[in-house]
Amino acid sequence: GAVVSQHPSRVICKSGTSVKIECRSLDFQATTMFWYRQFPKQSLMLMATSNEGSKATYEQGVEKDKFLINHASLTLSTLTVTSAHPEDSSFYICSATGLAGGPLFYNEQFFGPGTRLTVL
Amino acid sequence: TQLLEQSPQFLSIQEGENLTVYCNSSSVFSSLQWYRQEPGEGPVLLVTVVTGGEVKKLKRLTFQFGDARKDSSLHITAAQTGDTGLYLCAGGGSGYALNFGKGTSLLVTP
Repeated sequence: GAVVSQHPSRVICKSGTSVKIECRSLDFQATTMFWYRQFPKQSLMLMATSNEGSKATYEQGVEKDKFLINHASLTLSTLTVTSAHPEDSSFYICSATGLAGGPLFYNEQFFGPGTRLTVL
Repeated sequence: TQLLEQSPQFLSIQEGENLTVYCNSSSVFSSLQWYRQEPGEGPVLLVTVVTGGEVKKLKRLTFQFGDARKDSSLHITAAQTGDTGLYLCAGGGSGYALNFGKGTSLLVTP
C-alpha cells in the first residue's frame, strides 16, 4: 500500500509556458501533500505543504504566484509552474501523508517517482 | 527548524565491504525515517524508528535510534552494487512536515 504516482515523469517546455504536474495517492487518502524540488546530488528542498481543501503553505523564498498548488481532493494535488524559465529546470517530487491507522504512521511520507522539468 | 546532519556526504566502497551512515541532531525527534533514492526516482521509505535505543533490521541493513532520540545510524553489511543510491534521514518537523538531512551518496563498485 501507500503508493503515490506523478505525471508526467518528464516534460520539456519552452520558456514562458506553464507546466502542470499531477500527484496522486493511489490507495490511501492523502490529507497532506508536499512538493519538493531537488537539484543534482542534493537533498530535497521543501517548497510547499498542501492540505486538502485549503491554501498551500509555502516555504520562505518560494514564490506562490510562480508555483501554483491545488489540492482539490484527498487523492490529487497539482503543481503548476507558471511562465517557466530555464532556472526552473529541476526534479520536482511530491509526497503524501494521511490519516493514521492506515499505512501511515509517525509522519511517514510516501513519495512519487518525480518529474524532470526542462525549460528551454 | 530541527537540523539533521548526515555523514559522510559521499562514500565509495567495493562490494562486500561494510559501512555506517550517521544522522545527528541537537534536537529530540519523536521518530526518524530513513529513505533511499535512486537516480531519477523518488525516495523510498526504508524504515521508521520511534523508540530510543531501538534497533531494526532489514536484511543486510541495520538501523539504530539513539537512546536520547537525537541521532540514528544505518549500517550496511556486505554491501552490494544494488545498494548504490542516496540515503536520506528525516525527522518530524512542524505539522506533518519532515526535516531532511543533506543525504549520503553511496557508490558500491564491483
